[in-house]
Amino acid sequence: TQLLEQSPQFLSIQEGENLTVYCNSSSVFSSLQWYRQEPGEGPVLLVTVVTGGEVKKLKRLTFQFGDARKDSSLHITAAQPGDTGLYLCAGARGSNYQLIWGAGTKLIIKP
Amino acid sequence: DTAVSQTPKYLVTQMGNDKSIKCEQNLGHDTMYWYKQDSKKFLKIMFSYNNKELIINETVPNRFSPKSPDKAHLNLHINSLELGDSAVYFCASSHGQASGNTIYFGEGSWLTVV
Repeated sequence: TQLLEQSPQFLSIQEGENLTVYCNSSSVFSSLQWYRQEPGEGPVLLVTVVTGGEVKKLKRLTFQFGDARKDSSLHITAAQPGDTGLYLCAGARGSNYQLIWGAGTKLIIKP
Repeated sequence: DTAVSQTPKYLVTQMGNDKSIKCEQNLGHDTMYWYKQDSKKFLKIMFSYNNKELIINETVPNRFSPKSPDKAHLNLHINSLELGDSAVYFCASSHGQASGNTIYFGEGSWLTVV
């Protein structure tokens, strides 16, 4: 059972376009993290959202945590080829030591 | 300086062999992990150690045996390798055990079993 569903699984768009990827669950998370994994590398943390409704911005990337803390979205404005990678969300559930990982969205930005 | 380093980066070996992957972190973290990422890019935790003690042991065949000689090292030994073991194995570390802490990943070890 996949507790965190990421959509779309794959997205290929032209440079300059905007996009949104989603991370959804029926479970409540105490916090949610977004990681980006570039080809041949390990995942790297982009942001952690903690409060329901929280919005965080990282340059052209905007992250939002759902009000009920069950879902999150990542919006990229004016995508660049350097944004290419696998975007993974991971949810934390209270005192549970394990992160719950989504299957990822593979994003390709074409020049 | 590489924060989490693992070796080898690439490993091609025959079925039935035994192999080890080594991992070291210089971040001063007390928690280390091994993750497996399959061909579909799904990241799955295998083991977690805190202060050299095993705290997470997912449903992994007992052919996989982690060893943590100290807080900075977590090695993974795999016996009797099978074709299905082919994957990318990531070592990682974090400060503390809480699941919301940032996890720092190594660059991965690409294991191919032929």
